[in-house]
Amino acid sequence: ETGVTQTPRHLVMGMTNKKSLKCEQHLGHNAMYWYKQSAKKPLELMFVYSLEERVENNSVPSRFSPECPNSSHLFLHLHTLQPEDSALYLCASSQGPPGHLNSPLHFGNGTRLTVT
Amino acid sequence: DQQVKQNSPSLSVQEGRISILNCDYTNSMFDYFLWYKKYPAEGPTFLISISSIKDKNEDGRFTVFLNKSAKHLSLHIVPSQPGDSAVYFCAASAGNYGQNFVFGPGTRLSVLP
Repeated sequence: ETGVTQTPRHLVMGMTNKKSLKCEQHLGHNAMYWYKQSAKKPLELMFVYSLEERVENNSVPSRFSPECPNSSHLFLHLHTLQPEDSALYLCASSQGPPGHLNSPLHFGNGTRLTVT
Repeated sequence: DQQVKQNSPSLSVQEGRISILNCDYTNSMFDYFLWYKKYPAEGPTFLISISSIKDKNEDGRFTVFLNKSAKHLSLHIVPSQPGDSAVYFCAASAGNYGQNFVFGPGTRLSVLP
């Protein structure tokens, strides 16, 4: 049973839709992440939140908008996506600062997104 | 340019034998390395890690070796079991509480009964 829960598991949306991905972690961590996994490519870091402050934004297009209302919840709001945005979106958490140095990421099971 | 490389996209091993998965990196600032396993339709699961002050870390059937001078690490699984069949990702970070993990493309391991 994963300590990081993502919903929905699968999502199909049109290019004009607005949808949101949700992530919740039950591990007491204070850093949360969005990663994207496209076919045949390594995991790509999208956003990092530490203590609810965004600390990393890896040049992600503005059609992806993250929100971190508290240390246990993370959202990814999606708006006017393109078919090439179809991918597996993974949420992760870790014990970031001021916690433990060298803390591994714990991933959820991901949302498989298809943009039509 | 990929900072973390896994040059073998796939590997097949007989049950009971040793599986050796390799990973190379280019960034000399990396000081924390991890291995993850991923089954289809699931997120990556953390397996084992090593910091740059060590050259070996062992946890049950899994051992990670780090060769800093060669910028190379490897994961050994002994003995391999059919349930180990999965995609294995190597990841690395450079201090900063590991917030900037960089992942390799993965190696698909098949353990044959």
